Amino acid sequence: GAVVSQHPSRVICKSGTSVKIECRSLDFQATTMFWYRQFPKQSLMLMATSNEGSKATYEQGVEKDKFLINHASLTLSTLTVTSAHPEDSSFYICSARIGLDNSPLHFGNGTRLTVT
Amino acid sequence: AQTVTQSQPEMSVQEAETVTLSCTYDTSESNYYLFWYKQPPSRQMILVIRQEAYKQQNATENRFSVNFQKAAKSFSLKISDSQLGDTAMYFCAFTLYNFNKFYFGSGTKLNVKP
Repeated sequence: GAVVSQHPSRVICKSGTSVKIECRSLDFQATTMFWYRQFPKQSLMLMATSNEGSKATYEQGVEKDKFLINHASLTLSTLTVTSAHPEDSSFYICSARIGLDNSPLHFGNGTRLTVT
Repeated sequence: AQTVTQSQPEMSVQEAETVTLSCTYDTSESNYYLFWYKQPPSRQMILVIRQEAYKQQNATENRFSVNFQKAAKSFSLKISDSQLGDTAMYFCAFTLYNFNKFYFGSGTKLNVKP
């Protein structure tokens, strides 16, 4: 089945530094990937839609200069949290669809970011 | 705007028994898809079952089945013969036909007790 690989699974960084999270589609080409953020015991909040070869589409309220998304190839999208602060600590999950229509989302394992 | 509502924050069921999780949604569109995802403690999101809105027949996947009521905009998940491994957060999700965005409900935490 379709597999989405996300790395790293856990990262701890100091306040003010930047962190990059990678999301790869392992056995299919993903023209579109999605980045979600999940707070403890809450639902998934869509942050942005990552489009291969073009700029990401950010949801309202998400700072695009803080959460940089790059989708350089059909199998790789990256999310960079710039100048991280403790309030950026969260669980970040990427996902992708093989096509449209009734194709479900395939999710990565998620990244737990802790900013100290 | 599309919305998905799960009104049961938490539920418990005894092992081997049946439990039903509720989900309602709101949309003015007629072509869409509905999904149930499971998120166990590992946090990995796993697809449980999906339903196309144009299909009247309710989807089933082994012990999992749905009760899809299009007119009522209801999409409940029934888990039969509950197992300890079913303990997880369950999210109802909705997407329009030929559209990228998925809308997720707030989730229901299911505890299966031995």
